[in-house]
Amino acid sequence: DTEVTQTPKHLVMGMTNKKSLKCEQHMGHRAMYWYKQKAKKPPELMFVYSYEKLSINESVPSRFSPECPNSSLLNLHLHALQPEDSALYLCASSQSERSSYNEQFFGPGTRLTVL
Amino acid sequence: AQSVTQLDSQVPVFEEAPVELRCNYSSSVSVYLFWYVQYPNQGLQLLLKYLSGSTLVESINGFEAEFNKSQTSFHLRKPSVHISDTAEYFCAVSGISDYKLSFGAGTTVTVRA
Repeated sequence: DTEVTQTPKHLVMGMTNKKSLKCEQHMGHRAMYWYKQKAKKPPELMFVYSYEKLSINESVPSRFSPECPNSSLLNLHLHALQPEDSALYLCASSQSERSSYNEQFFGPGTRLTVL
Repeated sequence: AQSVTQLDSQVPVFEEAPVELRCNYSSSVSVYLFWYVQYPNQGLQLLLKYLSGSTLVESINGFEAEFNKSQTSFHLRKPSVHISDTAEYFCAVSGISDYKLSFGAGTTVTVRA
């Protein structure tokens, strides 16, 4: 299984809502990533988890809260978002954070719209 | 730190014509290089990668890229494109002991009949 799955595919939420994005992989990868991608732009790294611990936070606002319940799952909890947070949120995984072969496998993304 | 420059933001091309997407990188350390493709309304898929060894790498769907260390380039080519190759293409680089992928701005390829 070389797949990263993400749910939901689409999400519309108001600025006062709380929602969560989910990512799952069964490749035995120990590093997982959240990216944000605006239209016609490259992905921007948000968070990196390595061996289920938060390794990197790229100065992301606290209204985004990541969680890694186990080595296969990665969540992104959303609260009090702004319209400018509307984007495609991509999850990725790789063998490990600092392996000599850091090929990242991407999920299909969750298209988020904040009203 | 590494950085990537994709020299063409948009490349229109006719079906069955060749295409080349240019990518240059900057790094003070040895690197791995990647090309990712993103079809409309989808996530990123790895197209091909250079880790070490032969400087010419090929994908299963006819793309190839050549790593040129002296010119710090990793250009992507396909001799004959199909309508289905219409997509956004991202060049990316990482240091060989680095977690972070640095992406270029992307090249939009539009294939017309």
